[in-house]
Amino acid sequence: AAGVIQSPRHLIKEKRETATLKCYPIPRHDTVYWYQQGPGQDPQFLISFYEKMQSDKGSIPDRFSAQQFSDYHSELNMSSLELGDSALYFCASSLTKGYYEQYFGPGTRLTVT
Amino acid sequence: DQQVKQNSPSLSVQEGRISILNCDYTNSMFDYFLWYKKYPAEGPTFLISISSIKDKNEDGRFTVFLNKSAKHLSLHIVPSQPGDSAVYFCAALRANFGNEKLTFGTGTRLTIIP
Repeated sequence: AAGVIQSPRHLIKEKRETATLKCYPIPRHDTVYWYQQGPGQDPQFLISFYEKMQSDKGSIPDRFSAQQFSDYHSELNMSSLELGDSALYFCASSLTKGYYEQYFGPGTRLTVT
Repeated sequence: DQQVKQNSPSLSVQEGRISILNCDYTNSMFDYFLWYKKYPAEGPTFLISISSIKDKNEDGRFTVFLNKSAKHLSLHIVPSQPGDSAVYFCAALRANFGNEKLTFGTGTRLTIIP
């Protein structure tokens, strides 16, 4: 079965650079979530989209922005990168609002040097 | 403020025996709970979920129990198999409030001993 696709899988950036992470949800899923997992930590919610509209926002820095496109894929844009942004970034999708099981992609490992 | 807690960072169980993973939560507004399994370098894999209107849900070798009064849930895996060795996260959300973001526990590393 098709799963959530994330690209790139690994990304190395320098401080103050920008990064764009992409997420392609499971086909027919219209809801996308982004989570950040720091070393030795549990995943923390960043932001979610339902039907191309932002539906919820967590502890996402103002330097980060995200959107969901007409084909339901989503992009997380990160600017002025800091060392502390180094983490695993997971995208998850669910069928639609009210379906609570979220299916995760393999993650993008971002390293900021 | 850790609203979902898994107090055992690690657990070792003999193959074929029962594995019991525990999770406690503090936010009484959580009304839907999920368990995920995670291998290194992979994303969390959904295992099983339970709504707060139930106290048990079973799917094959996996059973989740919910004790709302104690704000406690547990995942039972029986029989345990070597492929079950992974980190297990419990997660919670506030479905009735339309708030579907997951709040995760800190995880328990399960090791199945052959």
